[in-house]
Amino acid sequence: NAGVTQTPKFRVLKTGQSMTLLCAQDMNHEYMYWYRQDPGMGLRLIHYSVGEGTTAKGEVPDGYNVSRLKKQNFLLGLESAAPSQTSVYFCASREPGNTIYFGEGSWLTVV
Amino acid sequence: EDQVTQSPEALRLQEGESSSLNCSYTVSGLRGLFWYRQDPGKGPEFLFTLYSAGEEKEKERLKATLTKKESFLHITAPKPEDSATYLCAVQIKAAGNKLTFGGGTRVLVKP
Repeated sequence: NAGVTQTPKFRVLKTGQSMTLLCAQDMNHEYMYWYRQDPGMGLRLIHYSVGEGTTAKGEVPDGYNVSRLKKQNFLLGLESAAPSQTSVYFCASREPGNTIYFGEGSWLTVV
Repeated sequence: EDQVTQSPEALRLQEGESSSLNCSYTVSGLRGLFWYRQDPGKGPEFLFTLYSAGEEKEKERLKATLTKKESFLHITAPKPEDSATYLCAVQIKAAGNKLTFGGGTRVLVKP
């Protein structure tokens, strides 16, 4: 999974706590994405960005916020975590040739 | 609404037993169809992109084909290391060129 790094890899949160997931890519890609993966649901798009300073909603944006202040970073925030947000989160970026590369994932558990 | 359906959900093969995975889709404005491989605890790893009906791509024991309504991933003479979940995704000409994923096919190749 070339050049897409996610931190942290694992996190346990209590209901109501906030946290931020960081995605960094070193490939100078314009497009970046945040997906969540749940058993039986597949990968679903949360938010995406088409360039520095831009963000847009995906299929399941509620309860999440994002920011793209720098081209190489795409942050996913949970302001008040809920058990329904227990999931595996994947960041991805798209090269100009259209291939989309994924990070290794961040496992989040909300108790 | 864009839909991607993969079948079967799971596939158990003996080493050397060739088989095919199906990905059927209904989308408006298909830009490309992607195949990814995902190992447990890892992010999706890019395999192929197909852009037009009739197109075929090969990589080692894998061959992907595309028609106007579906794509097939053929696994020829599989080995145990081909065991993984194979994900299909479609990219449409809108919404940040996002990918819409199917539920995946879990493939287990037994020696």
